[in-house]
Amino acid sequence: EAQVTQNPRYLITVTGKKLTVTCSQNMNHEYMSWYRQDPGLGLRQIYYSMNVEVTDKGDVPEGYKVSRKEKRNFPLILESPSPNQTSLYFCASSLQLTGSYEQYFGPGTRLTVT
Amino acid sequence: GDSVTQMEGPVTLSEEAFLTINCTYTATGYPSLFWYVQYPGEGLQLLLKATKADDKGSNKGFEATYRKETTSFHLEKGSVQVSDSAVYFCGTSGSARQLTFGSGTQLTVLP
Repeated sequence: EAQVTQNPRYLITVTGKKLTVTCSQNMNHEYMSWYRQDPGLGLRQIYYSMNVEVTDKGDVPEGYKVSRKEKRNFPLILESPSPNQTSLYFCASSLQLTGSYEQYFGPGTRLTVT
Repeated sequence: GDSVTQMEGPVTLSEEAFLTINCTYTATGYPSLFWYVQYPGEGLQLLLKATKADDKGSNKGFEATYRKETTSFHLEKGSVQVSDSAVYFCGTSGSARQLTFGSGTQLTVLP
């Protein structure tokens, strides 16, 4: 089954404790991205990757890191989480970005930073 | 950069009512336009898309027409059902490197 998986689905952590949210897709997609969803603000892109070893900042990259060492995986790293990073996070992938290619979204990771 | 403005919610309708959710965009080049839907507790799913001016995207009774002259892509459905209750996001891939979404519109359909 074609899918994007994220882990964990729920995470409660404390300020400053490094964490990683994993994202994996099994569709051989080139393009992957991370979004955060906050009430009243909709979806905002954090980082995206056009292919292996090619990553770039989205609209809200501060406090986040990513890596793309393999085509299927695109982990999101919070080196020192803060309460303002409490949010719902989505990973997405698509064959390519240009044109009309559909983005496939993971189920989401709800992160709470206390 | 690209931007998408969509109708603020929440929107509450009775079953079988007509639905319109407005969406306008600003994008460079020749953008593709999308509507995604997010059901409670789930990720976003593509609802419909249009890739060029005057194209009409349709799916599950929903329709949207790509209007270049008004830079709009309004979502419509003639008769909503309770199962249509969800958050709807308009988006554009005008930029070569990003997909830009609107802020989302919460729709609740009452029986």
